[in-house]
Formats: sequence, structure tokens, C-alpha cells
Amino acid sequence: SQKIEQNSEALNIQEGKTATLTCNYTNYSPAYLQWYRQDPGRGPVFLLLIRENEKEKRKERLKVTFDTTLKQSLFHITASQPADSATYLCAPQDYGQNFVFGPGTRLSVLP
Amino acid sequence: KAGVTQTPRYLIKTRGQQVTLSCSPISGHRSVSWYQQTPGQGLQFLFEYFSETQRNKGNFPGRFSGRQFSNSRSEMNVSTLELGDSALYLCASSWNKGQGLEAFFGQGTRLTVV
Repeated sequence: SQKIEQNSEALNIQEGKTATLTCNYTNYSPAYLQWYRQDPGRGPVFLLLIRENEKEKRKERLKVTFDTTLKQSLFHITASQPADSATYLCAPQDYGQNFVFGPGTRLSVLP
Repeated sequence: KAGVTQTPRYLIKTRGQQVTLSCSPISGHRSVSWYQQTPGQGLQFLFEYFSETQRNKGNFPGRFSGRQFSNSRSEMNVSTLELGDSALYLCASSWNKGQGLEAFFGQGTRLTVV
């Protein structure tokens, strides 16, 4: 069955450093992979989408990579700030299929 | 452009009761999906509606049902509530699904079953 794993359940980093979050999937060939941010008690908010034929996507301080051979996506936040503290969810998506969300990584950026 | 609206925001129900949650998608969006989120299970897909038809269904018992109206608004119903149904229920809308389109989530309905 399809399985999505995100690296540690929680990640603590120092302000100003780069946070790197990992999303691994098995038994799955997604055409797209999306990343969302979720704050406590609120719905997820879309951040970035990367397609299977794209290696890397950037948006301001965010960068996503997608390696279909390794079946992995990396999500980077550079120059992290305490306001970046949240849970980050990856969501691989097949053609015509629904999102399957990973369990999320809770990021804490310490001042 | 108004976002996805879910009502009510909070709900407390007793075991055995039933509950109906409502979701108004972003104007023009025809796909509405429902998710259950609990601390232990993360975001679990319930079902998706597109143009009033259920297109996909997750692995939940028949007590969980939904529908979509002609204006794309959607409701989900849970009958014979159990304590384990306590969760944050989220709905998400998009213009369509399966085309790499982002999903817009509502704030969710926090259901507590006592």
C-alpha cells in the first residue's frame, strides 16, 4: 500500500539556519508533490507544488526538490525565523487521484 | 475572494448522536474534499465530491457520509457518533482534482464527542 514518511516528527533549529524537511514515499508514482504549512487548530495552507519533471522549485526563502528515483522530496527553509514554526505536510498526488498527506514534521525555530 | 468556510467551528455531541458539518468552497471551485485530522492519525481522507458526485472515498465506515449541492456547497454527516470520532474535520476545495492544483482548506470544525 502507499506509504508516505516525513523525517522526524519534530525538528528544532536555531533562527537563521536552514531547515531541511524530508518526505519519502513508497508504492507510489506521484505526478505532483505539494507542500503545506499548518498552524495549530487551523487548516493547512499551500506553499509550493513541484511536478515530476521538475528537479527544483523556489519561492522566496523556500526551496523544494523532487527526486523520483529516490522517491523523495526535500523542503528547505533558508534563513529560518521563529514565525516559520509550524507543522509542514507533504502531499504527493497521482494523476486523477486525491492527495495523500504525510504525517507532517513539526518545526520549531528557536530565537 | 472569500476563502473556504466551514460551520460550525466547534461542536460538542454525545455518543450515539449524529452531526452534520457544512463547507462552502471558494466561488468557482467544483471539487470539495473532506479530511479527518487526529493527533495520532494525521490527515485522513474521507471523500471527495465533484459536481454533486462522489468521486473518491477513503477508508471510513458507512457512518460517514456526505453530499454536494448544485452550488458546490458540501455537507458531511456522521451518524451514531463514537468517542473516536472526536477530531478536527477539514474541508478543502479546488477547481478540479488530479491536475496538480492546490487545495484551499477551511479552518475546520472541531468535533468533540462525549
